[in-house]
This record gives sequence, structure tokens and C-alpha cells, in this order.
Amino acid sequence: QQQVKQSPQSLIVQKGGISIINCAYENTAFDYFPWYQQFPGKGPALLIAIRPDVSEKKEGRFTISFNKSAKQFSLHIMDSQPGDSATYFCAARWTSKLTFGTGTRLQVTL
Amino acid sequence: KAGVTQTPRYLIKTRGQQVTLSCSPISGHRSVSWYQQTPGQGLQFLFEYFSETQRNKGNFPGRFSGRQFSNSRSEMNVSTLELGDSALYLCASSSFRGQSEFSGANVLTFGAGSRLTVL
Repeated sequence: QQQVKQSPQSLIVQKGGISIINCAYENTAFDYFPWYQQFPGKGPALLIAIRPDVSEKKEGRFTISFNKSAKQFSLHIMDSQPGDSATYFCAARWTSKLTFGTGTRLQVTL
Repeated sequence: KAGVTQTPRYLIKTRGQQVTLSCSPISGHRSVSWYQQTPGQGLQFLFEYFSETQRNKGNFPGRFSGRQFSNSRSEMNVSTLELGDSALYLCASSSFRGQSEFSGANVLTFGAGSRLTVL
């Protein structure tokens, strides 16, 4: 199966809080798991990515946790800021093709 | 370093017409992919070109086609437009050369997209 399931569909977090977005996949052939951030009127932009042989990767306030046995991975945004309000997509790569999750609309309130 | 450039940004067509969208990848990137983004289906892979050859193809009807030129620029064409073809069409480029190669730099960089409205 090529599907990537993403949840939640939308998320409201207060400023300073932690935003958590979850994804699950089926195809064990996927070899790279990026997260993209998309603002209205813009194309998706790479945020952070992880390989399946790594359990966690952190870049600033953004952390990916990866559970290979469960075929799940998640994005944690620490100290969420209003500027983080955007739509987030998880994805999984096989050959040159990315399969995307359905997206999570994050709103960070003051 | 210039990003991925897509033209036109917005266009309106009527059913039955055809449309051609253009994409200029990041300099040095030889792989160009196309994705369709709609509220209902999300981001869906159309096709990928590398060195003027289609290397990968998604599950879209034959009305959707593409090509890549020797300078890596790419075009996609949709013929006999249907209302359901209304979408944001995204082009992305990368330096990805093959499955055995792994690097963060090989991940796709997207353009801002071409928003197609079919009336």
C-alpha cells in the first residue's frame, strides 16, 4: 500500500504549547520521511526529514520521532508560535516519488 | 540561488480546452516532478522526469502528460479539461539521481504552483 495516514486534520494550540502531528504508513520500502510546511498561496516547503534507521531528529523547535516497528512517525513543534500557523504534510519517499499525508491545519493562538 | 519557477501562476479555462503549464527547476537539478493538490485528494503525484525521460508516473488518466527539455525545464499538459481538473499544480525539483542515493538535499523543492480553474 502506498498510503500515508495523517492525523489530526486540524489542530489549535496556544502560543508556547506543543503541537503534535502523527502519521502512519504501510509500505516498508519507503526510505525517507520528510515533513513539509505550507502557507496559503505558497508551495510546500521542506521543514525537517528523517531516515528510517533513526528514531529521532531535532532541528530547533521541530522534532521528528520515528517508530519503525509500528510504522509511525510524528512531528513535535515545541514552543509553538503564531508564525507556525500553516498546513503541515508528512510524506514518505519511494524511489523518486513522495506519498503525502492529507495534511494538518495548525492554528497557534495568542 | 533561484527557486523553482512556475508559470502561469493563475489561469482559467473552460471544459474541453487544454492547458500547458511550465516549470523551471533549480539550477543543477535534473529531476522534475509534478503534483496535483486539491482540497479533497490532497497532494497527488502526477509524474517525474529525469534527463528528459519519464521515470515515474502516478495514477492519472492519459489526458495528463508532460515532458522535459534538455535544459531540465519541464511542461505538463492537460487535454480535454474537466471540472475536476481544477487544482493547484505543483512542480518540484531535486538532484535525486537514483534509489540507492540518499541525501537530504535530494528531497523535493516545490514551486509556488499554478492554480488552474476549469469552468
